Amino acid sequence: GQQVMQIPQYQHVQEGEDFTTYCNSSTTLSNIQWYKQRPGGHPVFLIQLVKSGEVKKQKRLTFQFGEAKKNSSLHITATQTTDVGTYFCAGPGQAGTALIFGKGTTLSVSS
Amino acid sequence: DAGITQSPRHKVTETGTPVTLRCHQTENHRYMYWYRQDPGHGLRLIHYSYGVKDTDKGEVSDGYSVSRSKTEDFLLTLESATSSQTSVYFCAISRPSESFGYTFGSGTRLTVV
Repeated sequence: GQQVMQIPQYQHVQEGEDFTTYCNSSTTLSNIQWYKQRPGGHPVFLIQLVKSGEVKKQKRLTFQFGEAKKNSSLHITATQTTDVGTYFCAGPGQAGTALIFGKGTTLSVSS
Repeated sequence: DAGITQSPRHKVTETGTPVTLRCHQTENHRYMYWYRQDPGHGLRLIHYSYGVKDTDKGEVSDGYSVSRSKTEDFLLTLESATSSQTSVYFCAISRPSESFGYTFGSGTRLTVV
């Protein structure tokens, strides 16, 4: 079945360092979404990318969608302790309905 | 998020008993989803609904059933709870106004003993 894979599973950084998580799909995606889940919380929608090669920015967060629409990345510049949490990518399932989520990348930041 | 609530927030139940979790939305959205979250597995789709009485299975649907008799309510039933169903269960709605991004409820932490 369709799979969405994320690496790394865990990442620890010092505050101020950059962070990147990568997402790869076994199939071409019509779009990809990113979510953030704070410890003890629920996933929160960050952004959707639709176009091949698309790049979007939200303050210190940069999201990219690959040219082949099978991979994506989230880059955080100069991490802060407020960036702590698990970041998930997700793409539509084969039926084009419910999202299939990657297993997430958990980011910890020490000050 | 205002607009989607899950109940109960926490539940402990015994193996073999039926359990029903409730997801309630106030925004009249067509699509609703149930996911479970377990360490090392991320979020896995159990069932989803695309309208009243219209539901379909996800990747981990065995042992679960759902019902949607009203637009606002999506119920998840564990027919006979097992320890492997100990998990955090999230309900979500899809909002067209937010690029169809999902809005999740606060979750139900279920422990089967």
